[in-house]
Amino acid sequence: NAGVMQNPRHLVRRRGQEARLRCSPMKGHSHVYWYRQLPEEGLKFMVYLQKENIIDESGMPKERFSAEFPKEGPSILRIQQVVRGDSAAYFCASSPTGSGQETQYFGPGTRLLVL
Amino acid sequence: EDQVTQSPEALRLQEGESSSLNCSYTVSGLRGLFWYRQDPGKGPEFLFTLYSAGEEKEKERLKATLTKKESFLHITAPKPEDSATYLCAVQGFRGGFKTIFGAGTRLFVKA
Repeated sequence: NAGVMQNPRHLVRRRGQEARLRCSPMKGHSHVYWYRQLPEEGLKFMVYLQKENIIDESGMPKERFSAEFPKEGPSILRIQQVVRGDSAAYFCASSPTGSGQETQYFGPGTRLLVL
Repeated sequence: EDQVTQSPEALRLQEGESSSLNCSYTVSGLRGLFWYRQDPGKGPEFLFTLYSAGEEKEKERLKATLTKKESFLHITAPKPEDSATYLCAVQGFRGGFKTIFGAGTRLFVKA
C-alpha cells in the first residue's frame, strides 16, 4: 500500500539548527501540499508544489522556510535556524493532478521538537 | 477571506446516540468541501468530498451533506471506534490552491 510517506516521523533539533522534512507522495501523484499543525490548533496551509515548481507559497513564513519538489526524489520542507515556535506537526498531502477539486491524501506527519 | 468554523468543539455521545457535527464556511466560490478524520498522533484520513449544494455522501455510519453556507456530518448509532477529531476543509476558486481547515470537532463515544 503505497500511501504518502513522511520521514522522519519525529525530529528533535536545538535552536539554530536546520530541520529537513521529507515527503514522498502516493504513487501516481505529482502534486504535494505541506501543512503545519500547532498543538490544539487546526491545520494551516503552507505551500503547494508540483514537480520542479512552487505553485502557491502564500502560507509559508517569509524567512527561514523553504520547500522544493525536485524531478527525482521526495519533496523537502526545510527550516533554517529553528526556533522553539517551530515545534509542531508537519503534514504533507498529495493529489494526482492538483485541479483543486481533488482529494488530498495525507501522510502520517513529522513531529518537530525544538529544544 | 475564506473561513471555516466547526461546532461543537467537543462532543460526547453514548454508543448508539446519533448526532451531527456542523461546519460553517465562507468562501469566494466553492471549489470543494472536504471531511477528514484524525486520530491522535496520525495524519488526517479522507472521508468525503462535496462540490455543490444539495450533494450528500454516505459511508457506513457517516453521512455528509452540503448547503451554500454549511455542511453537516451526521453520525448514526456511533461506536467507540468512531471517537476521533473530525476536520472540515474548503477550497475556493479565488483562494488559489490554499485549503482552509477548521479547528475540528473532537468526538468521544462511550460504550
